[in-house]
Amino acid sequence: EVQLVESGGGLVQPGGSLRLSCAASGFTFSSYWLQWVRQAPGKGLEWVANIKQDGSEKHYADSVKGRFVISRDNAKNSLYLQMNSLRAEDTAVYYCARAYFDFWGQGTLVTVSS
Amino acid sequence: QSVLTQSPSASGTPGQRVTISCSGSSSNIGRNVVSWYHQLPGTAPKLLIYGNSQRPSGVPDRFSGSKSGTSASLAISGLQSEDEGDFYCAAWDDSLSAWVFGGGTKLTVL
Repeated sequence: EVQLVESGGGLVQPGGSLRLSCAASGFTFSSYWLQWVRQAPGKGLEWVANIKQDGSEKHYADSVKGRFVISRDNAKNSLYLQMNSLRAEDTAVYYCARAYFDFWGQGTLVTVSS
Repeated sequence: QSVLTQSPSASGTPGQRVTISCSGSSSNIGRNVVSWYHQLPGTAPKLLIYGNSQRPSGVPDRFSGSKSGTSASLAISGLQSEDEGDFYCAAWDDSLSAWVFGGGTKLTVL
């Protein structure tokens, strides 16, 4: 069974940093592109970033470019999102997802507030 | 303002057929496949349709997807109460080098 479990969310002050993790199981982790998607309270889905199987290619939404860094550790079956210079508008539930979003984690809430 | 445009809401009665549309451009829907997702309140989205019209195992054949030019549609036949929720379309955008989602359509079963 494919499972994706996010962790690392919480309350952070504007300008602060946070690192999200996504632990994967039930599939060959190193064979898939992986994604981060977020959803602000009461809003729609917003794609954040993705990373190729070997980490050699990454893409970011303009809204997070230069502030967020996506990475992965295939040996640990884990996906990460390093979030820096956080803003109030980054407040959202952050989901990790596989490939073309065929499987999703349950999400982790990030709240940016003073 | 989402790159892919969806009507904010749709509704139907049990048993009816409902269609949800998703409008894009030549850089996204026009060149790439479309997928559809269903989200219930407080839960993660679930894949309904991929590759424009393919259903993952476990998704009822009441759900069907199609694409024409720069637009895509999701049709739900035999509407059921559990179909309520938010529906999103998505596609890769070659110009943005980014995935883009529609703003979502809230479906109400009357």
